[in-house]
Amino acid sequence: DAGITQSPRHKVTETGTPVTLRCHQTENHRYMYWYRQDPGHGLRLIHYSYGVKDTDKGEVSDGYSVSRSKTEDFLLTLESATSSQTSVYFCAIASSGSSYEQYFGPGTRLTVT
Amino acid sequence: RKEVEQDPGPFNVPEGATVAFNCTYSNSASQSFFWYRQDCRKEPKLLMSVYSSGNEDGRFTAQLNRASQYISLLIRDSKLSDSATYLCVVNPTDKLIFGTGTRLQVFP
Repeated sequence: DAGITQSPRHKVTETGTPVTLRCHQTENHRYMYWYRQDPGHGLRLIHYSYGVKDTDKGEVSDGYSVSRSKTEDFLLTLESATSSQTSVYFCAIASSGSSYEQYFGPGTRLTVT
Repeated sequence: RKEVEQDPGPFNVPEGATVAFNCTYSNSASQSFFWYRQDCRKEPKLLMSVYSSGNEDGRFTAQLNRASQYISLLIRDSKLSDSATYLCVVNPTDKLIFGTGTRLQVFP
């Protein structure tokens, strides 16, 4: 299995609070991604990174920001959590661009009350 | 129209059966195709890439039909452990697009 961890694995927070999710990899892969998964939707890309300090928006980026100060860490921040951001969040890594296989972390289950 | 469409299932099949899933995609410029498997409350895991010539990995066979814009996954001799959701994935641009998945339940 690819060396990807996510923390926390579960979190319950209140509307309006900031939340940061962490993705850590030990594979030294260049590309990292944040997705959310909701019933009735496929995995949807929030943000991705193609190198340290290089990030870009995905399909559903509103309300989220990211940072990547080291190759191994990719942080996803919800500046002011809303109930619509209740979801399962997956981090993924890839050695090359998105034409290549991605490997996923175990996920973070976030509930915003 | 969704970019990637799959029958959500569930497909309920007995052990030993052969089952096939199809997935259609809308963007003819898509170049890469994959099947991922996702167990309940777990992360998606790459099952296999799909090549133009078709490819096989043990009991699993993946095929691509560019003319009709669909990919398929065939599972032979189904095992109880094959029970999962199978995600079809394509890349119409520089991002991967995931289908919502087809659920397979194999019963004894």
